[in-house]
Amino acid sequence: NAGVTQTPKFRVLKTGQSMTLLCAQDMNHEYMYWYRQDPGMGLRLIHYSVGEGTTAKGEVPDGYNVSRLKKQNFLLGLESAAPSQTSVYFCASVSTEIYGYTFGSGTRLTVV
Amino acid sequence: DQQVKQNSPSLSVQEGRISILNCDYTNSMFDYFLWYKKYPAEGPTFLISISSIKDKNEDGRFTVFLNKSAKHLSLHIVPSQPGDSAVYFCAASEGTYKYIFGTGTRLKVLA
Repeated sequence: NAGVTQTPKFRVLKTGQSMTLLCAQDMNHEYMYWYRQDPGMGLRLIHYSVGEGTTAKGEVPDGYNVSRLKKQNFLLGLESAAPSQTSVYFCASVSTEIYGYTFGSGTRLTVV
Repeated sequence: DQQVKQNSPSLSVQEGRISILNCDYTNSMFDYFLWYKKYPAEGPTFLISISSIKDKNEDGRFTVFLNKSAKHLSLHIVPSQPGDSAVYFCAASEGTYKYIFGTGTRLKVLA
């Protein structure tokens, strides 16, 4: 009964490198989200998905891509990392029967 | 342009007293509101919600009040406990499951 699992938990990237953050949920939730948390900025929505095979842009999508090939997984990709992408990234999911998100424990990414 | 604002970055309260956390929003179309609590190095956890058809919702020590005309909601914690020390986020959505979050208020409950 893991809920929402994010991997990795920590990562340091060099500017220009690429990486993929993985989010997996075992609750059969339809909706999944990627947020970033920065000091003084709260949680800002990057991309989200309302079902397998669908994705949509949030508030701050630039520099990120996502894929939802399987219902339980939501991947966040950085093609060419920039220092401005240094942040803590949270994945969340929600079913259509409740309103509250279930969040993962976060991925702390540093781009140097 | 922040649609959801938490104007107090921090709040300190004595144990046993009431904690009041405030949140303002600008979009009158928001119809569902949530409060989350976040401890360091953990993801936010859902605390309490309220829909726009209500003006109050209670769950144990936590009560959320909604004033639609003022576009304002507040979270009351009574009595406050040291374990309540955390960052609290309010969030709002407009008829979907896509929430806009505030910047958070760090609550410190002093023993």
